Amino acid sequence: AQSVTQLGSHVSVSEGALVLLRCNYSSSVPPYLFWYVQYPNQGLQLLLKYTSAATLVKGINGFEAEFKKSETSFHLTKPSAHMSDAAEYFCAVSSTNFGNEKLTFGTGTRLTIIP
Amino acid sequence: NAGVTQTPKFRVLKTGQSMTLLCAQDMNHEYMYWYRQDPGMGLRLIHYSVGEGTTAKGEVPDGYNVSRLKKQNFLLGLESAAPSQTSVYFCASSYATSGSGRTDTQYFGPGTRLTVL
Repeated sequence: AQSVTQLGSHVSVSEGALVLLRCNYSSSVPPYLFWYVQYPNQGLQLLLKYTSAATLVKGINGFEAEFKKSETSFHLTKPSAHMSDAAEYFCAVSSTNFGNEKLTFGTGTRLTIIP
Repeated sequence: NAGVTQTPKFRVLKTGQSMTLLCAQDMNHEYMYWYRQDPGMGLRLIHYSVGEGTTAKGEVPDGYNVSRLKKQNFLLGLESAAPSQTSVYFCASSYATSGSGRTDTQYFGPGTRLTVL
């Protein structure tokens, strides 16, 4: 079985401050992990992904995430928040092979940027 | 290259009516998915398909049917709509990781906003 927990359904940060969105996963096999972003009234788009290569993954718009197996975490960070980062962020895991070809999503974290 | 497209973008139904949502992708992806998104619940998988002519149930399949007659299209049907099916519906497609079958990056359509009165 695979699952994802996103801590904090709402996060607010000041413009220019560090963004930290938390994601913990559960998987019985080495996982693939994804962060998606959803802007209002749009579909989801990929920010970054981990597929068993480098544990520190860099994505679009200055975001990055680090895979930590010992902590079963894949937290998303950005050093300096911008107003355009306001959106909803979803963490997802793909951890099994044939017969279970799907992603399991977390419930999302809505990021608000304070001017 | 349009990616993943969904038709229609908006629809209002009365309870008991039927409708079909169409998803099309032009990336030659093997896998396709239908999700629903409701406030505070993230994305929940309705049905998915790992190839033309095959479908499988997801987390919340009741009240929905699907068909994948062509590789590029994935249809979601509601035979008798209920107010509980008011939601935003997203289609996605992906390629399979070579050798494992695991889904890799999923590409999403813009969504269909459905209201059932």
